[in-house]
Amino acid sequence: NAGVMQNPRHLVRRRGQEARLRCSPMKGHSHVYWYRQLPEEGLKFMVYLQKENIIDESGMPKERFSAEFPKEGPSILRIQQVVRGDSAAYFCASSGTSLESTQYFGPGTRLTVL
Amino acid sequence: GENVEQHPSTLSVQEGDSAVIKCTYSDSASNYFPWYKQELGKRPQLIIDIRSNVGEKKDQRIAVTLNKTAKHFSLHITETQPEDSAVYFCAASIIGGATNKLIFGTGTLLAVQP
Repeated sequence: NAGVMQNPRHLVRRRGQEARLRCSPMKGHSHVYWYRQLPEEGLKFMVYLQKENIIDESGMPKERFSAEFPKEGPSILRIQQVVRGDSAAYFCASSGTSLESTQYFGPGTRLTVL
Repeated sequence: GENVEQHPSTLSVQEGDSAVIKCTYSDSASNYFPWYKQELGKRPQLIIDIRSNVGEKKDQRIAVTLNKTAKHFSLHITETQPEDSAVYFCAASIIGGATNKLIFGTGTLLAVQP
């Protein structure tokens, strides 16, 4: 019973490049959440998706960031034209239904922008 | 907007002593309050949670209390052990609302001295 999977675990990009982070939810889960954790800080909500739908993107920066959760395949968080301030750990979590409270976290992707 | 405050930011206790971490939330509609433990470089892991229809919940050495009127909730760890050392995050959410996003506190670094 695999948990939430994320890849890559570590990603290094130069300023201006694109970063693509992937998240596969737990088996049977159709709700995905992305959170960002800056160094020495707490977790900040970015976006909540169900299959093929963005439910809440209130925590996502308006520019350069986008997210999707297609019918088939993992959820993708995409950061275009990365800047040094994007360096952080990006965690995704999944839950089974909208009424199921527990969110299970993946191991995170640590993005470093040079 | 939604906000969760967490205190203290650091806590050092002797092995065997108790540790208490306190959180306050701002959105009175919040009805779900999980606590996560995060070891260095690892994913957040749920250790206990409580819903708003319950005032207290206990699981072995860990307990959580909720005061809805004051919008406070607390984590209590008894008989602390060195392996309890980690960063602890409280969070609040509205289950069944438009979004299930977790609003996290800023974290408490717990150090248990052997």
